[in-house]
Amino acid sequence: GAVVSQHPSRVICKSGTSVKIECRSLDFQATTMFWYRQFPKKSLMLMATSNEGSKATYEQGVEKDKFLINHASLTLSTLTVTSAHPEDSSFYICSARDPRGGGMQSPLHFGNGTRLTVT
Amino acid sequence: RKEVEQDPGPFNVPEGATVAFNCTYSNSASQSFFWYRQDCRKEPKLLMSVYSSGNEDGRFTAQLNRASQYISLLIRDSKLSDSATYLCAALSIYNFNKFYFGSGTKLNVKP
Repeated sequence: GAVVSQHPSRVICKSGTSVKIECRSLDFQATTMFWYRQFPKKSLMLMATSNEGSKATYEQGVEKDKFLINHASLTLSTLTVTSAHPEDSSFYICSARDPRGGGMQSPLHFGNGTRLTVT
Repeated sequence: RKEVEQDPGPFNVPEGATVAFNCTYSNSASQSFFWYRQDCRKEPKLLMSVYSSGNEDGRFTAQLNRASQYISLLIRDSKLSDSATYLCAALSIYNFNKFYFGSGTKLNVKP
């Protein structure tokens, strides 16, 4: 089945630093990838849609200058949390749909997530 | 109103019990539906897609009721390993790539 890999799985950083998270589709090409954030015991919240070769589309309320997304190839999207603050501490998960998987019935496949802690 | 709503639970059931969750969606244009399982501090994993005619995978049965705009998940013969949070997701026909997730229903299966 479709595999999405995310790295790192865990990161602890100090306030003011930037953190880059990588998301790779391992066995399929993904022109679109999705970045979610999840706070403890809360729902997944879509942050942005990453588009290969063009600008990402951000959801309302998500600062594009703070959460930089780059989708430089058909198998790699990166999310950079710039000037991280403690309130950015969360579980960040990327996902993608396998284009071979049946159109509208094709589900999202998730990376293993990155737990970010900003001290 | 949220696009997708679920009872957060928790549902506490004994091993071997049958348990059912419902998930309502507000957008009648929603076209595709899915159930995901999420273990604590892990990513969601696809449990099953939900087809119009309903579908079954072992102990799990998913159904779609378009008239009332809800999907359901039935788990028979619950196992301890079924303990997790179950998320439902809906995909809009107007935005092919936008999945809406419920906040999840927590299931605790006890010995």
